[in-house]
Amino acid sequence: DQQVKQNSPSLSVQEGRISILNCDYTNSMFDYFLWYKKYPAEGPTFLISISSIKDKNEDGRFTVFLNKSAKHLSLHIVPSQPGDSAVYFCAASASYAFGNEKLTFGTGTRLTIIP
Amino acid sequence: DSGVTQTPKHLITATGQRVTLRCSPRSGDLSVYWYQQSLDQGLQFLIQYYNGEERAKGNILERFSAQQFPDLHSELNLSSLELGDSALYFCASSGQGFRSPLHFGNGTRLTVT
Repeated sequence: DQQVKQNSPSLSVQEGRISILNCDYTNSMFDYFLWYKKYPAEGPTFLISISSIKDKNEDGRFTVFLNKSAKHLSLHIVPSQPGDSAVYFCAASASYAFGNEKLTFGTGTRLTIIP
Repeated sequence: DSGVTQTPKHLITATGQRVTLRCSPRSGDLSVYWYQQSLDQGLQFLIQYYNGEERAKGNILERFSAQQFPDLHSELNLSSLELGDSALYFCASSGQGFRSPLHFGNGTRLTVT
């Protein structure tokens, strides 16, 4: 039962353009969402998060949008840079869980930035 | 560098064997989490410890067990290994603030032959 889905296994974007990564979830109890970035041979690194009381959160070049009615979130990276090439994981948690346990991850999207 | 240390980086062993994966959390972090990533899968939550006590359990097999020691390092024990246990095993730690982000180690790649 895949409660967090990233339907695009890969995405290629030209340097300087906008990268948009998408994520869908099915569990209506999820109220906190995160994006992690992963380089080869390294662990995932926290990128940005959003609570369900917001519909947008911005941090520099990264913006996460949340559409609760559609159970959809997206990560926008603008402008895209070669160092952004990595696998991006969407993750979600529910408030009934203490702290961040039971973070549910998607399967990831491999983003390639073309110079 | 996340500050989370996992050893060993690679482990190759045979079916039926037992292995121990070790994790040292970031300084000051009390929570330790274990995740498994199989081929083309997302990270699957296994178990969480907080200050030495089990706090949450995910889809962890009965052949697997974990513990967190007084110095806060954690070990994940995998026994009666099967080919399907081959995966990347990640450890993460988090601070005490509500919904503090998880900081992941670089993982242990386990290959069962």
